[in-house]
This record gives sequence, C-alpha cells and structure tokens, in this order.
Amino acid sequence: NAGVTQTPKFQVLKTGQSMTLQCAQDMNHNSMYWYRQDPGMGLRLIYYSASEGTTDKGEVPNGYNVSRLNKREFSLRLESAAPSQTSVYFCASSDGGRVDQPQHFGDGTRLSIL
Amino acid sequence: QQQVKQSPQSLIVQKGGISIINCAYENTAFDYFPWYQQFPGKGPALLIAIRPDVSEKKEGRFTISFNKSAKQFSLHIMDSQPGDSATYFCAASINSNYQLIWGAGTKLIIKP
Repeated sequence: NAGVTQTPKFQVLKTGQSMTLQCAQDMNHNSMYWYRQDPGMGLRLIYYSASEGTTDKGEVPNGYNVSRLNKREFSLRLESAAPSQTSVYFCASSDGGRVDQPQHFGDGTRLSIL
Repeated sequence: QQQVKQSPQSLIVQKGGISIINCAYENTAFDYFPWYQQFPGKGPALLIAIRPDVSEKKEGRFTISFNKSAKQFSLHIMDSQPGDSATYFCAASINSNYQLIWGAGTKLIIKP
C-alpha cells in the first residue's frame, strides 16, 4: 500500500550539478504531477503528465525537464542546479486529468543547492 | 487574476474551539475549490472540496462556506483537536483543467 514513492528524501547539491528526482506510483493512475513548495508560496506546478508519453509545462518549468518513463514512473531532472531551485519537491498522481479527482502526494524530496 | 489569497498565515486555537481559515480569489471562471491538509514531513492530502453551486459543504467537523458574490471561501473546523494541527491549503481551478492554483497555506496549531 505504498501509494506515491519519491526518492531520495533529502539531497544537497552544489551549484551546476545535475540530478534526477524519482517518483513512482502503484495506484494505476493515469496523471502525474511535479510540484515545488516554497515557504509562503504554497505549491507551484512544474510539469504535468496526463499519460505515458505526454507532458505539459506548468507554472514554473524553467530549469527542469521531465520524463514519463511508463505509467508508474515520472522523473524530474535538474540539468544545472541553481540556488533558486532549493525547495521541497512533491510528486503527485491522480486517476484522471481533472482537478476534481484527488491528487495523491508523496512525502517529498528536500533539495538544498549550495 | 490567477491568484488565490489565503489568510491568516498562522493560527493558534484552543482545543474545542472553532478554527477558521479564509481564501479569496479573482478569477470568476474558477469552479472547483478544494482544501488540502498537510502534516509535517508529508505531502498534502485532500480534505474537502466544494463547487460554486452550493454555499456550504460539511464533512464531519470540517465545513466549507462559499460566498460567490464576494469571491471568498473559508474552512471551518469545529471542536478543533490537537490532531488537527497541520498546514492547510486552499486551492482553486477551472474544473475542466488539470492545474490547481494554490493559496500560500495556513499553519494551524491547536493548543491542548
């Protein structure tokens, strides 16, 4: 009964390093999301995937790339990390692409970029 | 016009009291308004949601009140308990869309 699993839970990077955040869901959901959460700003959508092979940009996509590897997995890549990307990153999934279907979140990846 | 403004930023309530968190929006096209609850170290989880065709929705101790003319909605937690201590987020969207617009969050502390 894992739900949405994110790895790693914590990571410290130096400016300019690259990294991939992993996300997997076992609920057979079609839609998956990547958010960042910053203090005082709520959650902001980075990328969205309606199904395997499709991705759409969200509110703050610059500096990120994503891959929907299969129905279960959706990864987020930082090619050249910047201090402004220090944040808590959440992956979520839902049964469909409409917002009235609950989004199920992982426990987050806490990323610090020095 | 896309923003959702949430207040207060933090709130302390005595056990057994009523907790009230408010949100306001500008985009009149929004037609779906959920509230999410987040505990420390965890991701948010859907708590309750409302559409603008009703003025109130109640689920247990949690109630959403919706004022369409004022473009405001609020979460009321009755008989607040220490286990309700969490961060609460309001959000809004156009139902046919996939993107939620989130408020900044309210950290609620219930004092025993």
